[in-house]
Amino acid sequence: QVQLVQSGAEVKKPGASVTVSCKASGYTFTGYNIHWVRQAPGQGLEYMGWINPYTGGTNYAQRFQGRVTMTRDRSISTAYMYLSSLGSDDTALYYCTQGVVVVNTEYFHHWGQGTLVTVSS
Amino acid sequence: SYELTQPPSVSVSPGQTARITCSGDALPKQYAYWYQQRPGQAPVLVIYKDSERPSGIPERFSGASSGTTVTLTISGVQAEDEADYYCQSADSSATVIFGGGTKLTVL
Repeated sequence: QVQLVQSGAEVKKPGASVTVSCKASGYTFTGYNIHWVRQAPGQGLEYMGWINPYTGGTNYAQRFQGRVTMTRDRSISTAYMYLSSLGSDDTALYYCTQGVVVVNTEYFHHWGQGTLVTVSS
Repeated sequence: SYELTQPPSVSVSPGQTARITCSGDALPKQYAYWYQQRPGQAPVLVIYKDSERPSGIPERFSGASSGTTVTLTISGVQAEDEADYYCQSADSSATVIFGGGTKLTVL
């Protein structure tokens, strides 16, 4: 069965960077985009962007452009999300999710367990 | 920027029908999807392509689309349905967007 297993919780200081990993199994890693979605405490879901594991192509939501980088390692079926210049408002649970294409967009059937990133001085 | 608008909260008694709406100008052109999120858990897809139900999702969950509004309906609400519900679609450039979420309370 499809599984997305994320790396563990992180605590970072303001201005630092964080990398969250997402290891995929149970399907062909290069066949589906990996998307990243975050959720601040008590808040809603916020979309961050996607990476195509086959080509390495990416597309980032406008508010994260210049600060987020998504990469992948096909040899170990793992995607990464790197976020720099962290501020307190980046404290959130970060999810990776497998995209299922429908016409010109995607939806999300399988999700990772989430990685809590806490930004605190 | 494009937004999907949901009511912040909906309350129903057990056995009643809950309806959660999601409004957006691009919805006539883009499919909508619905996710259920219980506290401390990752979102779960409950409706895709406006009205399709994934396997394993109870039949009491249904979806419909009319113009710029899509609706998630939960018939015969049970206590276990208490959760946050999010709609998802895409804007004119096919960028994914989520609604703000609706907290369903089962009285």
